[in-house]
Amino acid sequence: GENVEQHPSTLSVQEGDSAVIKCTYSDSASNYFPWYKQELGKRPQLIIDIRSNVGEKKDQRIAVTLNKTAKHFSLHITETQPEDSAVYFCAAISEGSARQLTFGSGTQLTVLP
Amino acid sequence: NAGVTQTPKFRVLKTGQSMTLLCAQDMNHEYMYWYRQDPGMGLRLIHYSVGEGTTAKGEVPDGYNVSRLKKQNFLLGLESAAPSQTSVYFCASSDLNEQFFGPGTRLTVL
Repeated sequence: GENVEQHPSTLSVQEGDSAVIKCTYSDSASNYFPWYKQELGKRPQLIIDIRSNVGEKKDQRIAVTLNKTAKHFSLHITETQPEDSAVYFCAAISEGSARQLTFGSGTQLTVLP
Repeated sequence: NAGVTQTPKFRVLKTGQSMTLLCAQDMNHEYMYWYRQDPGMGLRLIHYSVGEGTTAKGEVPDGYNVSRLKKQNFLLGLESAAPSQTSVYFCASSDLNEQFFGPGTRLTVL
């Protein structure tokens, strides 16, 4: 089955700096890669996603890149703000897997004011 | 439109007790999922369903059972709770890709 690895497990940045979180996946048949943000005590919420036929996607301060050959994808947050502090999870869906998401282990992002 | 709801929000059980967690969605989604979340381990899939009347095992199914008698509801049962089942449980539903999560149930087994 699919295996998703996520790094780093913790990340601290100064407000206004950029943050990058990286994930690798094992199943070359995976074709959908969402990123979820989870604030303390809350449910995970989708912040951006990318499909395997696209190399990059942006939404304001958030961007995701995908390298299918290397089987890795990354989340980029620019101009970080204290409200960006949360746990971020990457995930992957394999074709024909009943749309099961395999999650990375999460990154605790702390934005220091 | 409530999205995905879960009941109860919190529960404390003693070892060996049983309970059922209820998940309901009003988005007419075919797919529904149960996850558990433990510190440092992300979300792990317990069971899932691809439609009314169907269920399947996920990554960590042992000690749990599920039922999907109605399309909008997905029940997770613990027949004999163990301390190792102390966790936060999330239900989710999806159409094709994006999964929408419920607010979670915090379960403690003493």
